[in-house]
Amino acid sequence: DAGVIQSPRHEVTEMGQEVTLRCKPISGHDYLFWYRQTMMRGLELLIYFNNNVPIDDSGMPEDRFSAKMPNASFSTLKIQPSEPRDSAVYFCASSLDPGPHNEQFFGPGTRLTVL
Amino acid sequence: KQEVTQIPAALSVPEGENLVLNCSFTDSAIYNLQWFRQDPGKGLTSLLLIQSSQREQTSGRLNASLDKSSGRSTLYIAASQPGDSATYLCAVRRGETSGSRLTFGEGTQLTVNP
Repeated sequence: DAGVIQSPRHEVTEMGQEVTLRCKPISGHDYLFWYRQTMMRGLELLIYFNNNVPIDDSGMPEDRFSAKMPNASFSTLKIQPSEPRDSAVYFCASSLDPGPHNEQFFGPGTRLTVL
Repeated sequence: KQEVTQIPAALSVPEGENLVLNCSFTDSAIYNLQWFRQDPGKGLTSLLLIQSSQREQTSGRLNASLDKSSGRSTLYIAASQPGDSATYLCAVRRGETSGSRLTFGEGTQLTVNP
């Protein structure tokens, strides 16, 4: 398996623009997680899905952020409008439940810079 | 609210040294604890996972221990190599299901000098 795939790997955009981050989880995994990593706050869970259904979005910072999972092999995280403080690395992870250890497998991340 | 702290924040050692990274957590009611490695510009790679009922796990030169009652875990790296240079993060899971939230520490940035 290719692992968790994220695109783009890098995104530079101007304040006010819409940004869409994409994730393909490992085939067969039924959980998908979106994280954000910054120097100030470390790694934070934004939202997670189980069987394509959003379960916990309490980590989503504000209404400018939205996430969808239209099918088991694809998810998007959208920021509209983007702001400089959204600059961070966004990770997608997936896991299988019940798995032997419920281990999460992470993608390489998308480095977002909002100017 | 669970808080995870890692000490030290950064560590620089010469090649060949044995070293210990520390992780502490405030709520001992955890299901498991996981150690990850993160290379610059890359995602997280899982190194070791310890269930709450276990005391330690070993993989090659890595050994992770867990003292749940005191809220501590250590990652021991034997005979360190320059390729071990990375940021190491620990994360605790509250509940049994995969949907249970992982709480991460801020990481220890390790540099192993040749």
